[in-house]
Amino acid sequence: EAQVTQNPRYLITVTGKKLTVTCSQNMNHEYMSWYRQDPGLGLRQIYYSMNVEVTDKGDVPEGYKVSRKEKRNFPLILESPSPNQTSLYFCASSGRGLNSPLHFGNGTRLTVT
Amino acid sequence: AQSVTQLDSQVPVFEEAPVELRCNYSSSVSVYLFWYVQYPNQGLQLLLKYLSGSTLVESINGFEAEFNKSQTSFHLRKPSVHISDTAEYFCAVSDILTGGGNKLTFGTGTQLKVEL
Repeated sequence: EAQVTQNPRYLITVTGKKLTVTCSQNMNHEYMSWYRQDPGLGLRQIYYSMNVEVTDKGDVPEGYKVSRKEKRNFPLILESPSPNQTSLYFCASSGRGLNSPLHFGNGTRLTVT
Repeated sequence: AQSVTQLDSQVPVFEEAPVELRCNYSSSVSVYLFWYVQYPNQGLQLLLKYLSGSTLVESINGFEAEFNKSQTSFHLRKPSVHISDTAEYFCAVSDILTGGGNKLTFGTGTQLKVEL
C-alpha cells in the first residue's frame, strides 16, 4: 500500500531535549515536506526537499532541522525543543508534475512542556 | 507570493442540506487551486483540483468547486451532505512559476460539521 509513515504518532517531551520525528514514503517520490498545523493558522511549511541531499526552508523553519540522505526518508529534528513547538506535524510527499498530489502521513502530535 | 483566505472557520449543516465552503486567493500570477480534506486523526487527502481547462471540477464523492478568476475564488459545494462528510476542509494554492501540486500555500481550514 502506498503510504507516508510518520513515527511516533504522539510524543511528550521536555524543553531542550533533542528529538527526531521520522518520515518514510514507499512511492519513490522526489519531493518531501514537513508542515505544522496549529488552530486558526492552518498548515505552515517548515522545510521541504526536492530530492536527495537537496533541502530548503519553508515558511517557519526556525528551531527545526531536516536531512535527506535517502530518497524515502525525511526526518525532522528538533535540537532544543521549546513549548512554542507544541503542535501537530505532518510529513508529505509527491512525485513530479501537476498530476502528482501531495500524500500526507497521519501526523505526529508533539507536546513540549 | 500567494495567500488563501477561508473566512468560515466552522460551518454547521444538517444532513441532506446543501453546503458551500468559501475560498478566496490572491496571487500576482496564474495559479493552480486545490481542496484537501482532513478526517479526524488523519492526514490530509486531495479532494479535487483545478489546473486548467473547465472551471468546474468535481470529486468522486459529490463535491464540486468552480474557479472564478474575476472574483479570485474557488468555493467548494455539495448539493446534499452526508454525516460522513464531517471533516476539516483546506483550500490551497500554488502559483505556476514555483511549481505544481507540491509547493502549496494552505488556508486556515473550515470545519464542516454535519448534524442529523
